[in-house]
Amino acid sequence: NAGVTQTPKFRILKIGQSMTLQCTQDMNHNYMYWYRQDPGMGLKLIYYSVGAGITDKGEVPNGYNVSRSTTEDFPLRLELAAPSQTSVYFCATSEGGETQYFGPGTRLLVL
Amino acid sequence: GESVGLHLPTLSVQEGDNSIINCAYSNSASDYFIWYKQESGKGPQFIIDIRSNMDKRQGQRVTVLLNKTVKHLSLQIAATQPGDSAVYFCAETFLGSARQLTFGSGTQLTVLP
Repeated sequence: NAGVTQTPKFRILKIGQSMTLQCTQDMNHNYMYWYRQDPGMGLKLIYYSVGAGITDKGEVPNGYNVSRSTTEDFPLRLELAAPSQTSVYFCATSEGGETQYFGPGTRLLVL
Repeated sequence: GESVGLHLPTLSVQEGDNSIINCAYSNSASDYFIWYKQESGKGPQFIIDIRSNMDKRQGQRVTVLLNKTVKHLSLQIAATQPGDSAVYFCAETFLGSARQLTFGSGTQLTVLP
């Protein structure tokens, strides 16, 4: 039981490049979330999903897209990377929408 | 508790002492609160939670206090240990928001030998 896994652990992108951050969970949780954490700050919600096929925007969705075709996977897409997207990205899951369990994070640097 | 800008509030305690970390939350509709611990380079780890119909909840070495009148939350850690050194975040949420969490900006706890 791996819980929540995220890949890659670290990535450097050039401005304008695109990439997909992967998040996979084996807990059979319906709710999944993507957060970003800037240095010295708390986490801010980007997108979330309450089940396969259902996604919705969080507090800071601009510049990102998500999809949820299966219960297990919730990838986050950056289409045109910008320096402002330099951050650490965390995926989280929850069973009934309460306690959230976080992955180890993906550190992204946009130059 | 809360901070402005990029500077985390810090708390330094001697090993074995009790720690109290404070947090002011913003939404009077919030009905569920969680404390997370985040060690360097890792994701947040659940510590303890409390619902709005309670004012105190105890776990192993940790206690959370909730004061809805002033929208204040605190985390008490008894007999603080070196392994407790981390950043601590409070988070709030309410039913109907798909349990979206709103995080405070965190407090850096350092345990001195």
